[in-house]
Amino acid sequence: NAGVTQTPKFQVLKTGQSMTLQCAQDMNHEYMSWYRQDPGMGLRLIHYSVGAGITDQGEVPNGYNVSRSTTEDFPLRLLSAAPSQTSVYFCASSLEGGGSYNEQFFGPGTRLTVL
Amino acid sequence: AQSVTQLGSHVSVSEGALVLLRCNYSSSVPPYLFWYVQYPNQGLQLLLKYTSAATLVKGINGFEAEFKKSETSFHLTKPSAHMSDAAEYFCAVSETGGFKTIFGAGTRLFVKA
Repeated sequence: NAGVTQTPKFQVLKTGQSMTLQCAQDMNHEYMSWYRQDPGMGLRLIHYSVGAGITDQGEVPNGYNVSRSTTEDFPLRLLSAAPSQTSVYFCASSLEGGGSYNEQFFGPGTRLTVL
Repeated sequence: AQSVTQLGSHVSVSEGALVLLRCNYSSSVPPYLFWYVQYPNQGLQLLLKYTSAATLVKGINGFEAEFKKSETSFHLTKPSAHMSDAAEYFCAVSETGGFKTIFGAGTRLFVKA
């Protein structure tokens, strides 16, 4: 199993550009989530999904869109990039919802810089 | 609302010394608690988790944590630090029936030779 994969590993954008961060998992997990990691702030939840076709907002959803058309894939779209979105982005998945006792499996991250 | 506080953004210990990383949580319902570790330029991986089966939880790499309801704490310990333990450690809480896991700000552990 590849686990959770993310592409790209690194990305530089200019303010106002849009892009999609890709996330895929091959563990048949129902729950998937996107976090951003900023120094001194831990991981903050952007969006999550409890199954194909079902998504919801986390703590910091503004400026980001998600969709979940398949169990495997959960892309994160930046609509119009801003310097405040410079961060490291992690995708994670688990068997059940984020409020369960199941651990989350994390991808290797995407380091995004917005100029 | 649930929250997590990790005391100390940086902790430095000598190799062979006790490691103690502190975590306090708040939750309106019985929580599930986790410790994750992040090595440089990698994603997070689970060290251990508390799911109400036992208050003392043993994890990988010799780490353990004790759930203390009266103190709302879930501190992480290891009797003897190794150089390979140098990493960032995150405490996290989720609530039964909820859909979100809340992470603390993280504690970076430095191990001196």
